[in-house]
Amino acid sequence: DTGVSQDPRHKITKRGQNVTFRCDPISEHNRLYWYRQTLGQGPEFLTYFQNEAQLEKSRLLSDRFSAERPKGSFSTLEIQRTEQGDSAMYLCASSPPPGYGYTFGSGTRLTVV
Amino acid sequence: AQTVTQSQPEMSVQEAETVTLSCTYDTSENNYYLFWYKQPPSRQMILVIRQEAYKQQNATENRFSVNFQKAAKSFSLKISDSQLGDTAMYFCAMGNGGGSEKLVFGKGTKLTVNP
Repeated sequence: DTGVSQDPRHKITKRGQNVTFRCDPISEHNRLYWYRQTLGQGPEFLTYFQNEAQLEKSRLLSDRFSAERPKGSFSTLEIQRTEQGDSAMYLCASSPPPGYGYTFGSGTRLTVV
Repeated sequence: AQTVTQSQPEMSVQEAETVTLSCTYDTSENNYYLFWYKQPPSRQMILVIRQEAYKQQNATENRFSVNFQKAAKSFSLKISDSQLGDTAMYFCAMGNGGGSEKLVFGKGTKLTVNP
């Protein structure tokens, strides 16, 4: 297992288009998180899965955002009708039980033009 | 609500010297964890060190150590014998001890190690 993988690394899209990102966590980790990081800021929590169940969503996650983790393994984050304000780095992380910290992926950098 | 504050946007240090990065936090929880993460330029975020709030002993990982002052809600990171590879953004983060363990991050401190 080589860690948390995210795909694609970079995505440029036109405003109004839909985009989907994928995250493959460390296989032994049952917790998976999505964060958003804008320039000069720390990551902000978006949503969290324990196995296949989405247990918490941030108010930052508008109706245009949806995340899934269908079999408790990989996860996808979809943004519909992208807006320029969606431009950010989208980080995925996975973790074992609480307190051990996350392993982050390299992120997907989204640019909406 | 939980908050994490890093009051030093940027710092610099000479190679081989020691530097301390500051972090304060606020929470009403009794059971929580504190973390320092390192994010090198264009690279992924890496866990540097973690501290359980119920432990009084300060965590240490090689050249990295923390000064955890629970009453003052302070959690500073000390880097000894700084190396060029320590150049990165450093983020302080706090997570609750149960439930989702979502992390709240500070805005980060950009550390530059000069040769």
